[in-house]
Amino acid sequence: QKEVEQDPGPLSVPEGAIVSLNCTYSNSAFQYFMWYRQYSRKGPELLMYTYSSGNKEDGRFTAQVDKSSKYISLFIRDSQPSDSATYLCAMRDNYGQNFVFGPGTRLSVLP
Amino acid sequence: EAQVTQNPRYLITVTGKKLTVTCSQNMNHEYMSWYRQDPGLGLRQIYYSMNVEVTDKGDVPEGYKVSRKEKRNFPLILESPSPNQTSLYFCASSSQVLRTGELFFGEGSRLTVL
Repeated sequence: QKEVEQDPGPLSVPEGAIVSLNCTYSNSAFQYFMWYRQYSRKGPELLMYTYSSGNKEDGRFTAQVDKSSKYISLFIRDSQPSDSATYLCAMRDNYGQNFVFGPGTRLSVLP
Repeated sequence: EAQVTQNPRYLITVTGKKLTVTCSQNMNHEYMSWYRQDPGLGLRQIYYSMNVEVTDKGDVPEGYKVSRKEKRNFPLILESPSPNQTSLYFCASSSQVLRTGELFFGEGSRLTVL
């Protein structure tokens, strides 16, 4: 079993749809949870960061962490064609400098 | 402009021919790291460095070497490349790695080993 699992997609949605992206993980020591966005032929860039459980909202983006289920989500409201990218979840524990990334979900938002 | 610069961006080489991928950041970050990205496997850490002269192995260090003699530079060395090192490589840096987890990534170096 991989440490972090993520549906690779591709996921295609119409413009304006609500998008839900998810990751599951197996290591209960993970405390820091991140979502990175990667456009084609570019390096990943940090989108959202959450510590421990709970929700965090930033504009059209909401990150949720459920540590009891070892499940994290990223919601995108009113999706735009510019949101078309690969979304990577990442996590780490309190002590490590090693980030564990999911394989990424490729999202296409169609005009 | 704040950035992480990798070179070369694209490289085709042959088995056993030593190569170096350079990485330089202009943000005065203490932390630097190398990742490889393969389809279905995501980003896997090769080596990281918390500061000058301090380096540690990540998840997949075999076949790679690094050095951190200056704060801004963190080259990745493949002493004897093999076809299984064909991959997309990313260098990243951070000043917040133990807090927000914000990694700044370079644009990637696509390496093919024949």
